[in-house]
Amino acid sequence: DVKVTQSSRYLVKRTGEKVFLECVQDMDHENMFWYRQDPGLGLRLIYFSYDVKMKEKGDIPEGYSVSREKKERFSLILESASTNQTSMYLCASGQGRNTIYFGEGSWLTVV
Amino acid sequence: GENVEQHPSTLSVQEGDSAVIKCTYSDSASNYFPWYKQELGKGPQLIIDIRSNVGEKKDQRIAVTLNKTAKHFSLHITETQPEDSAVYFCAASITGNQFYFGTGTSLTVIP
Repeated sequence: DVKVTQSSRYLVKRTGEKVFLECVQDMDHENMFWYRQDPGLGLRLIYFSYDVKMKEKGDIPEGYSVSREKKERFSLILESASTNQTSMYLCASGQGRNTIYFGEGSWLTVV
Repeated sequence: GENVEQHPSTLSVQEGDSAVIKCTYSDSASNYFPWYKQELGKGPQLIIDIRSNVGEKKDQRIAVTLNKTAKHFSLHITETQPEDSAVYFCAASITGNQFYFGTGTSLTVIP
């Protein structure tokens, strides 16, 4: 089975803090994604990566950056967390034109 | 870009009845349509998918139909059970690099 692991399930951070969300997949997938999930808005793509050191902006990249130094790991970075970034963050990975597989999610609260 | 609309946003059915969730998409180039089930506090999990060269696909109590001409696809769950209660998301993709999600349907199966 595909396993996508998000190391932090629940985080509480203060406004202005730098936040790192880590994601690791074990299937040697080329593509990795970060989504944000909010009630009534569904899943919105923040960034995706189709190769090491490659990244593409999604629909809502403002306030976020990403890092992919190794194929299996994709990190989401909030340079200066704000309260409107309180949300559930989902990492996913996939290969080619096939489906993507999600992690369990990271619940971030910014106070 | 692609726009995926999903209806209804909430759905309640009696145990044993059928449930139908419908999605429409805007980009005729979309060719891959997965459905995800998300249980409370967990990440979305793939339950069934369909590609544009197929009109219908079944997996036990779950089926998906696709009408390329009308650009809509539907999820059908028969003989619903309480464990089917969850949020369901449809998605559309062209390349596998970008997935566009609907806003979700919260399904409640009443025992």
